[in-house]
Amino acid sequence: DAGVTQSPTHLIKTRGQQVTLRCSPKSGHDTVSWYQQALGQGPQFIFQYYEEEERQRGNFPDRFSGHQFPNYSSELNVNALLLGDSALYLCASSTLGQGQQETQYFGPGTRLLVL
Amino acid sequence: AQSVTQLDSQVPVFEEAPVELRCNYSSSVSVYLFWYVQYPNQGLQLLLKYLSGSTLVKGINGFEAEFNKSQTSFHLRKPSVHISDTAEYFCAVSEWRDDKIIFGKGTRLHILP
Repeated sequence: DAGVTQSPTHLIKTRGQQVTLRCSPKSGHDTVSWYQQALGQGPQFIFQYYEEEERQRGNFPDRFSGHQFPNYSSELNVNALLLGDSALYLCASSTLGQGQQETQYFGPGTRLLVL
Repeated sequence: AQSVTQLDSQVPVFEEAPVELRCNYSSSVSVYLFWYVQYPNQGLQLLLKYLSGSTLVKGINGFEAEFNKSQTSFHLRKPSVHISDTAEYFCAVSEWRDDKIIFGKGTRLHILP
């Protein structure tokens, strides 16, 4: 079992550019959540995808968008990058809970540096 | 709105000594509670979780945590730490029927030889 995988591992962009990060969930999982972890902070929830739809969203601007594919993998897109977008981006996969929290398994993250 | 406060940003402790990492949360509804560990340059790994039932939860690597509803706390403990426990520890909460997880700012555990 490969677990949750993310690509790329590191990325350097300049202000104003756009970036796409990718995530493959753990085998058997159908739900993908994305988190942003700034340096020295805890992860912050960006959004969650299930059945190719955005199911829930945190307090992030519309510059942050996502997509989920039929094979449950997901992409996170960030447009018009700002210096403050520099962070570790974590993907977590799970199965959709039925009123009970299902464990979210995290990938190793993509470290994004915006110059 | 739910929130998590980790009372110590860093905790130094000697190897083989006991440790407690403190966590308080706020929420107006029933919650689920978690502790995650993050080793350097890695993602998050679940140590343990409280969903319901017994308030003492045992996790991996010899860690345990106790849910105290009256004090809205979920402190993490280990009776004897090892150098390999050096990492960042995150307390987290989610509300019933809400998959969104809210994390604290983390506590860095330093193991002293």
